[in-house]
Amino acid sequence: NAGVTQTPKFRVLKTGQSMTLLCAQDMNHEYMYWYRQDPGMGLRLIHYSVGEGTTAKGEVPDGYNVSRLKKQNFLLGLESAAPSQTSVYFCASSYGRQGLSEAFFGQGTRLTVV
Amino acid sequence: SQKIEQNSEALNIQEGKTATLTCNYTNYSPAYLQWYRQDPGRGPVFLLLIRENEKEKRKERLKVTFDTTLKQSLFHITASQPTDSATYLCALEQTGGFKTIFGAGTRLFVKA
Repeated sequence: NAGVTQTPKFRVLKTGQSMTLLCAQDMNHEYMYWYRQDPGMGLRLIHYSVGEGTTAKGEVPDGYNVSRLKKQNFLLGLESAAPSQTSVYFCASSYGRQGLSEAFFGQGTRLTVV
Repeated sequence: SQKIEQNSEALNIQEGKTATLTCNYTNYSPAYLQWYRQDPGRGPVFLLLIRENEKEKRKERLKVTFDTTLKQSLFHITASQPTDSATYLCALEQTGGFKTIFGAGTRLFVKA
């Protein structure tokens, strides 16, 4: 019973490099989310998806892109990494809208951009 | 401006006592409010959801209250145990909205 799995767990990037974070869920959830968490701040929503083939911008979408080609996967891309993107990234999924449904989170990806 | 505020100072209590954590919000009209637990190096784990028309919700040793007049939610852990030590996050969804907004969390330490 894996739940929500994020890959990789840790990564160090140089400024300007690109990478993709992968999120996979095995609960057949329609809704998926990408958040970032910085010290002293709450989780901030980057992008979200309400179903396969859909994506939408969250609170802090600049510098990130996402894709949801398959229902179980939600990819977060950084095209040209910047030090300001150093953070811990969490993926989450929920059966219904997150505000009124239990959301399941992955274990996080710690990204450092140097 | 819109804000969710949780006490940034850690809460230290003795085992067996009741821990009470506060979540205050400004310029939101939430339809729902949630509480999550987060352990170091882990993702948040859902604990409870309370609706705007509910005053109180309980689950085992946990109790959440929601006062839309005071714009405040209180989260109580009764008979606290050292294993309750974690960071607790509150989160809310704006009425008619979709996006869930999280507070920065309050760190709880329960001493044996």
